[in-house]
Amino acid sequence: EDQVTQSPEALRLQEGESSSLNCSYTVSGLRGLFWYRQDPGKGPEFLFTLYSAGEEKEKERLKATLTKKESFLHITAPKPEDSATYLCAVQPAGNYQLIWGAGTKLIIKP
Amino acid sequence: NAGVTQTPKFQVLKTGQSMTLQCAQDMNHEYMSWYRQDPGMGLRLIHYSVGAGITDQGEVPNGYNVSRSTTEDFPLRLLSAAPSQTSVYFCASSYRVQTDTQYFGPGTRLTVL
Repeated sequence: EDQVTQSPEALRLQEGESSSLNCSYTVSGLRGLFWYRQDPGKGPEFLFTLYSAGEEKEKERLKATLTKKESFLHITAPKPEDSATYLCAVQPAGNYQLIWGAGTKLIIKP
Repeated sequence: NAGVTQTPKFQVLKTGQSMTLQCAQDMNHEYMSWYRQDPGMGLRLIHYSVGAGITDQGEVPNGYNVSRSTTEDFPLRLLSAAPSQTSVYFCASSYRVQTDTQYFGPGTRLTVL
């Protein structure tokens, strides 16, 4: 069964304390992996798409990486405005429908 | 551009009542979809549309109907509300298919008593 698991469920960091969020997946072939950010009371907002193992993408303090079994969202020197829930979604091969993880709630304390 | 808009923002229904959640986009996107988001779970696809006049079921379609008479609008109808439909509902649109960058609306928080 295709599955996406995000860990940890919640992560509290001090401002400037770098860390990583994990998205592990079990699918029958990967066509794409997507990262979204969701602020409280709002809809998800697109961050990155990764297509193949070894691929990396960066945006400001965020860097997403992809292996054959998981993706990491690295956050470097985070600021309080990076606080949000980060969602991961996977597109299995041969299927246009995405499978979503439950998200990681990131809290950055000043 | 307003992007994707949804109304209402909040709604409380009694069991058995029906209602329509509205969704509109002004980006001329072909693909539109409805998701529900429940605590501790990933987004789940309810229904989707690949263009005006074409709709199809997602992962959790039971109890919901959709129609797509125009490119811009994609309403979601709850036929007879049940407490299990208490959730936050998001409408999303993308250029052609679900795996293009999706733009989400602000959501509707629905409570069924």
